[in-house]
Amino acid sequence: EPEVTQTPSHQVTQMGQEVILRCVPISNHLYFYWYRQILGQKVEFLVSFYNNEISEKSEIFDDQFSVERPDGSNFTLKIRSTKLEDSAMYFCASSETEYQETQYFGPGTRLLVL
Amino acid sequence: GESVGLHLPTLSVQEGDNSIINCAYSNSASDYFIWYKQESGKGPQFIIDIRSNMDKRQGQRVTVLLNKTVKHLSLQIAATQPGDSAVYFCAENPSLGGTSYGKLTFGQGTILTVHP
Repeated sequence: EPEVTQTPSHQVTQMGQEVILRCVPISNHLYFYWYRQILGQKVEFLVSFYNNEISEKSEIFDDQFSVERPDGSNFTLKIRSTKLEDSAMYFCASSETEYQETQYFGPGTRLLVL
Repeated sequence: GESVGLHLPTLSVQEGDNSIINCAYSNSASDYFIWYKQESGKGPQFIIDIRSNMDKRQGQRVTVLLNKTVKHLSLQIAATQPGDSAVYFCAENPSLGGTSYGKLTFGQGTILTVHP
């Protein structure tokens, strides 16, 4: 069964450093998403992406964040200058269409900013 | 100040019992709802979904009920098994009339523990 994959599974970085989180969405899906989950809290929407453009972003997704689809299979989330409060699980998701369509989540990347 | 984690509701059941997990959603404009299961250290796993033109939908061992009048969603798991132990989240998706087509808003989650 097709699934969303993410790398790395864990990432430890120093405050102020840049990190890139990688995702390979399900191959026939056209819509891609990033969510984050701070330990013990809700899953929170960050950004949605379609046709090489951001469709929507939350207030969390400030200028330090960016997303890219560098090729036909990868979808990345970059945090330019990490802060302590960026420590969280980051989940990538994808769906075939945007509206009322199931989003399938990857296993997540656990980011720890020291 | 330092953020603290939510104290999630918990539900403990015996293997073989039926489980009911509840969720109150916030946006009356939402018309698509999903239940996800999240095991420790893993991503949310799709269980079942329902659209607002339905009151009930059944899957394998799971049933979702939607009450739009009181903005309430429930997940029923029949013959609960130890492998069902996880955190269960409801998520809502705003309507076509809005601007948030793909953005899911998650509830706080319920911890289900199934005892053998």
